[in-house]
Amino acid sequence: GAVVSQHPSWVICKSGTSVKIECRSLDFQATTMFWYRQFPKQSLMLMATSNEGSKATYEQGVEKDKFLINHASLTLSTLTVTSAHPEDSSFYICSARDGTNEKLFFGSGTQLSVL
Amino acid sequence: DAKTTQPPSMDCAEGRAANLPCNHSTISGNEYVYWYRQIHSQGPQYIIHGLKNNETNEMASLIITEDRKSSTLILPHATLRDTAVYYCIVTYTGANSKLTFGKGITLSVRP
Repeated sequence: GAVVSQHPSWVICKSGTSVKIECRSLDFQATTMFWYRQFPKQSLMLMATSNEGSKATYEQGVEKDKFLINHASLTLSTLTVTSAHPEDSSFYICSARDGTNEKLFFGSGTQLSVL
Repeated sequence: DAKTTQPPSMDCAEGRAANLPCNHSTISGNEYVYWYRQIHSQGPQYIIHGLKNNETNEMASLIITEDRKSSTLILPHATLRDTAVYYCIVTYTGANSKLTFGKGITLSVRP
């Protein structure tokens, strides 16, 4: 099946620093990518929808200036957590839609720990 | 998107069929039923999806009732590796559709 590569798989950073997470579709072009956040023992929460070449659409309650999303190509989207704080510690997951079959594939996730 | 209701958990014996139910009584005519699963600390994995007809692939079968208000995901021969949280999601397809995850059902496969 289609592969979505997410990197890094885990990151530890100091409070106040920024962290960038990459999401790549390896064998298909993804016009739309999604970013989710998951806290322990909870379900995935959609943060934003990213369309190639346009601004991301954020879900209610998600700060667009804190979670910067760039979708510059059909195979790459990035999420930057700016000025990270301990409450931003979470499991971040990206997904990409294969435009040929409408299936949505997920990356393996990034565990962010902010000290 | 229509909301789904799933029991919080269930278990089954290894080698037996696992039947995971999902209610989606407010589903619209052009909404699909999708199933994903998430093994601990990994990204969700696509399993199967369907509109009104039953579907089968190498992983599972999807049985959708005639009125489309409920469905069942069937894992024909569950293994220990099938222990995961299974999400039933109802959504439109198309460029602007998105997947909204509920709480899912935790399937525990016992030896």
